[in-house]
Amino acid sequence: GENVEQHPSTLSVQEGDSAVIKCTYSDSASNYFPWYKQELGKGPQLIIDIRSNVGEKKDQRIAVTLNKTAKHFSLHITETQPEDSAVYFCAASRKHTGNQFYFGTGTSLTVIP
Amino acid sequence: NAGVTQTPKFRILKIGQSMTLQCTQDMNHNYMYWYRQDPGMGLKLIYYSVGAGITDKGEVPNGYNVSRSTTEDFPLRLELAAPSQTSVYFCASSYPHPGTDSNQPQHFGDGTRLSIL
Repeated sequence: GENVEQHPSTLSVQEGDSAVIKCTYSDSASNYFPWYKQELGKGPQLIIDIRSNVGEKKDQRIAVTLNKTAKHFSLHITETQPEDSAVYFCAASRKHTGNQFYFGTGTSLTVIP
Repeated sequence: NAGVTQTPKFRILKIGQSMTLQCTQDMNHNYMYWYRQDPGMGLKLIYYSVGAGITDKGEVPNGYNVSRSTTEDFPLRLELAAPSQTSVYFCASSYPHPGTDSNQPQHFGDGTRLSIL
């Protein structure tokens, strides 16, 4: 099955700086890559996703890049704010599998005011 | 619109007891999932269902059972609770893109925190 690795496991940045979280995947058939944000005591919430037919997607301060050849994708958060502090998970999925997701192990992001 | 609702939010069980974690969604999603989340381990899929009457095993199904009699509900059953099942359990749902089986985002509940002592 798919194996998703995520780095770093913890990340601290100063408010206003950028944060980058990286994930690699093993299954070349994976074609859908969502990113989730999980706040304390809550379930994961989708913040951005990308499909394999594009290399980059942006939504305000959040962007995701995908390199299919190298099988890695990254989350970029610019102008970080204290409310960005949370645990972020990447995931990978491919068609015809009942929409099963394989998750990374998470990155705990702390934005220092 | 409540989304995905999980009950209870917290529960403490004794070893060997049984319980059912409830999950219901009001988005008319065909696909539903159960995950467990352990510290530093991400989310691991326990069982999933692509529609009423259809269930399938995920990565870590041992010690659990599920049923899917309606589109809305997908309960998870622990028959003989063991300390290794102490975890946070999340239910999720998604809607398959009509006609293409393109992957779609999963929508999560807020979890059930289960401790087995």
